[in-house]
Amino acid sequence: DAGVIQSPRHEVTEMGQEVTLRCKPISGHDYLFWYRQTMMRGLELLIYFNNNVPIDDSGMPEDRFSAKMPNASFSTLKIQPSEPRDSAVYFCASSLSGGGQGAFSNQPQHFGDGTRLSIL
Amino acid sequence: SQQGEEDPQALSIQEGENATMNCSYKTSINNLQWYRQNSGRGLVHLILIRSNEREKHSGRLRVTLDTSKKSSSLLITASRAADTASYFCATVGYSGGGADGLTFGKGTHLIIQP
Repeated sequence: DAGVIQSPRHEVTEMGQEVTLRCKPISGHDYLFWYRQTMMRGLELLIYFNNNVPIDDSGMPEDRFSAKMPNASFSTLKIQPSEPRDSAVYFCASSLSGGGQGAFSNQPQHFGDGTRLSIL
Repeated sequence: SQQGEEDPQALSIQEGENATMNCSYKTSINNLQWYRQNSGRGLVHLILIRSNEREKHSGRLRVTLDTSKKSSSLLITASRAADTASYFCATVGYSGGGADGLTFGKGTHLIIQP
C-alpha cells in the first residue's frame, strides 16, 4: 500500500519566491497534518484538517503561510513570500479517526518522508 | 510549547545491549505514542499506550507509563545496528475547545555501535 506521498523531496529557492509543498495522504484517512522540523525547535504542528476542513491553524507562524485541502487526496502548504528562516523539513502526516474528542489522538499518524526546504 | 521531553538527548550503546529512553510530559493525557525517525525519513509509529495502561510490549519494545509522575519510558532490548535512529514521544494536549494536536518532544538520538 502506498504511504503518504510528499513532493518535492528537496526544494532550494531564493528568498521572496513562492514555495508550494504538496501532500497525498493515505486513502481513507480523514485527518491530515502539516509539521515543520528544525534542529532548534524540533517538530512543530502547523495545521491539521479533518475531512478536508482546517480544524486548528494556530501553529502557522505567519500570514505568509497558508494551507489548503481541496479534496480528500491532496493538500498543499504554501509560503509566500519565503524567507531564509523558513528553511526546515516539512512533513505531512495522515491518520484515521478513532472517534470521540480529539479523535485522531488514539490513532497512529503516518508520515511522508518530508520536503527539505532551503531558502537562500 | 513542548509537551513531551525526552531524556537523554543522545545515547550510544553497543549492539546487543538494551536501550532505555524516557519521556516526561506536562498535562493530562488520554494516551502517549512513541515514534522512530531514521535519518532523512519521516516518523514511523512504534507503539501507543493508553492512560489506563501501565506497560505494553511489541516485539523487542517495552513501554511503561506512570501517569502520577507524568512520565513514560521506552526500552529496546537486544539492540541492533538498524535501531540507530531518533526516538520521539508524542501526546495530545487539550484546551477548552478540544484537542490541540499531537505534540512531540525533541527526541533521543540513539546510536548502536556494531
